[in-house]
Amino acid sequence: NAGVTQTPKFRVLKTGQSMTLLCAQDMNHEYMYWYRQDPGMGLRLIHYSVGEGTTAKGEVPDGYNVSRLKKQNFLLGLESAAPSQTSVYFCASRPDLAGVVSEQFFGPGTRLTVL
Amino acid sequence: EDQVTQSPEALRLQEGESSSLNCSYTVSGLRGLFWYRQDPGKGPEFLFTLYSAGEEKEKERLKATLTKKESFLHITAPKPEDSATYLCAVKGNFNKFYFGSGTKLNVKP
Repeated sequence: NAGVTQTPKFRVLKTGQSMTLLCAQDMNHEYMYWYRQDPGMGLRLIHYSVGEGTTAKGEVPDGYNVSRLKKQNFLLGLESAAPSQTSVYFCASRPDLAGVVSEQFFGPGTRLTVL
Repeated sequence: EDQVTQSPEALRLQEGESSSLNCSYTVSGLRGLFWYRQDPGKGPEFLFTLYSAGEEKEKERLKATLTKKESFLHITAPKPEDSATYLCAVKGNFNKFYFGSGTKLNVKP
């Protein structure tokens, strides 16, 4: 099992450009999450999904859109990148276990710089 | 508002010097408190889940405990390979998770 994978690993954008980050998991997990991590601020939830075809807003959703057309994939889009979106982005997934809140499994991260 | 605060921000220990990391939280109805380890340039790696006050979990030199307002990660006789950032998270409503800003641990040989 590859676990959670993220594509690309690094990316540099100019202000106003768009891009899509791809997260894939091969563990048949129901829940998927996108976080950003900035120095001194921990992980902040951008958007999440509780199953195929569903998405919901997290703490910091502005400037981002997501889609989950297939259960194993969760895409994060930036329509018009801004320097404030320079960050490390992590994807995570977790299973739906009846009666138990399961831990999240994280990908290796995407380091995004917006100039 | 659901919130997680970790202290200290950074901790420097000598090898073998035991200490504790703190995670205090405010959440409406705790459904799980999670500890993760994060190495530089990598994603967080799961360590423990605690569900109710009084619960304890152990793994090698690490022991996590939980009260109604905070959790502690005790590190006994740490080794240099324990150096990492330790993150605490709680599950809030609607499948959202809230993370603290982490404690960066540096263990000197």
